[in-house]
Amino acid sequence: EPEVTQTPSHQVTQMGQEVILRCVPISNHLYFYWYRQILGQKVEFLVSFYNNEISEKSEIFDDQFSVERPDGSNFTLKIRSTKLEDSAMYFCASSVWGRQPQHFGDGTRLSIL
Amino acid sequence: AQSVTQLDSQVPVFEEAPVELRCNYSSSVSVYLFWYVQYPNQGLQLLLKYLSGSTLVKGINGFEAEFNKSQTSFHLRKPSVHISDTAEYFCAVTILTSNAGGTSYGKLTFGQGTILTVHP
Repeated sequence: EPEVTQTPSHQVTQMGQEVILRCVPISNHLYFYWYRQILGQKVEFLVSFYNNEISEKSEIFDDQFSVERPDGSNFTLKIRSTKLEDSAMYFCASSVWGRQPQHFGDGTRLSIL
Repeated sequence: AQSVTQLDSQVPVFEEAPVELRCNYSSSVSVYLFWYVQYPNQGLQLLLKYLSGSTLVKGINGFEAEFNKSQTSFHLRKPSVHISDTAEYFCAVTILTSNAGGTSYGKLTFGQGTILTVHP
């Protein structure tokens, strides 16, 4: 069964540094999402992306965050200047056109030192 | 805005016993409901979904859930659990949104998660 793949599985970064989290959605999917889960807290929506533009974003998704689909397969989340509170598990998800559930990757654990 | 409450943070149960994981939601519009499971060091896997039709939905691994609109609940059940069911379970809701691409499901709003631990 096709899967959403995320790299790296664990990223350790110094505070203030830029970080890029990468995702390869399922190939025929058109809607892409990022979520995060801070340790011990709920999974929270960050952003959704369709047709090369953001379709919805949460309050968390401020100017420090950006998303991009640089080619036909990758979907990236960039954090420009990381803060300690950005430490979390970040999940990428995708769904096919229309009313289909989202499929999730295994996540990237981001640790900010 | 939608919200989801999972009433139990942890549920311990013995193998072959029945289990119910509770989920309540609130929304001013019609919602679509999901249960996801997360095994250790893995992503979220869809267990089952309620979109419309029969209020009793069956999912993978012998799980089922019942949508109760009057009680705004979507509790997950399994009549006999296995050790391998030990995992964290998340209830989630979404609504339909429209954009230039058509109508699709919007963001998922998750509950806090329930850790199910099955003991031998």
